[in-house]
Amino acid sequence: AQSVTQPDIHITVSEGASLELRCNYSYGATPYLFWYVQSPGQGLQLLLKYFSGDTLVQGIKGFEAEFKRSQSSFNLRKPSVHWSDAAEYFCAVGDNTGKLIFGQGTTLQVKP
Amino acid sequence: EAGVVQSPRYKIIEKKQPVAFWCNPISGHNTLYWYLQNLGQGPELLIRYENEEAVDDSQLPKDRFSAERLKGVDSTLKIQPAELGDSAVYLCASSQDRGNTIYFGEGSWLTVV
Repeated sequence: AQSVTQPDIHITVSEGASLELRCNYSYGATPYLFWYVQSPGQGLQLLLKYFSGDTLVQGIKGFEAEFKRSQSSFNLRKPSVHWSDAAEYFCAVGDNTGKLIFGQGTTLQVKP
Repeated sequence: EAGVVQSPRYKIIEKKQPVAFWCNPISGHNTLYWYLQNLGQGPELLIRYENEEAVDDSQLPKDRFSAERLKGVDSTLKIQPAELGDSAVYLCASSQDRGNTIYFGEGSWLTVV
């Protein structure tokens, strides 16, 4: 069955520190992969996506993610976190039918 | 360009009452989605439309939920009657076609008391 696992429910990092949010997926074919961010009371904003090609994907707000087929992972990274990055982050997997399956999310807290 | 627009943003109703949510997708987007997001969870697909046709409604609880997308543009999601467990965020999303990037609205936050 298709699924997405975000192992870390809650992560706290200091402002200026680097960040890595983990995402593992289970999918029968080559997946489309996404990272979305959700601020409190808001909808989901797309950070970046992987459909094919270069496995290192650049997104908005200085985020990047790397698709590793051998590890079934699509981890999100940022070299230096800003206080405004505090939010809920969702990894999702999909295909050409348009249906997305989301992970449970990781809450990021940023310490001053 | 305007994003996906949803209304109302917030709704509080008593159980057994009906409620409806409206969604206007991004102009030119043929595929429209309704997702349900429970507190502390990721969104789950309720229904997907391609133009005016519901092509995937397998997760829609049809005893109390209904949806329509007349003329293949705006869409309405209705719950009748609402139950306490329906308290959640109802997210509308759209994409140009299936398989393209999906863009989400800000959600309609429902509280059933």
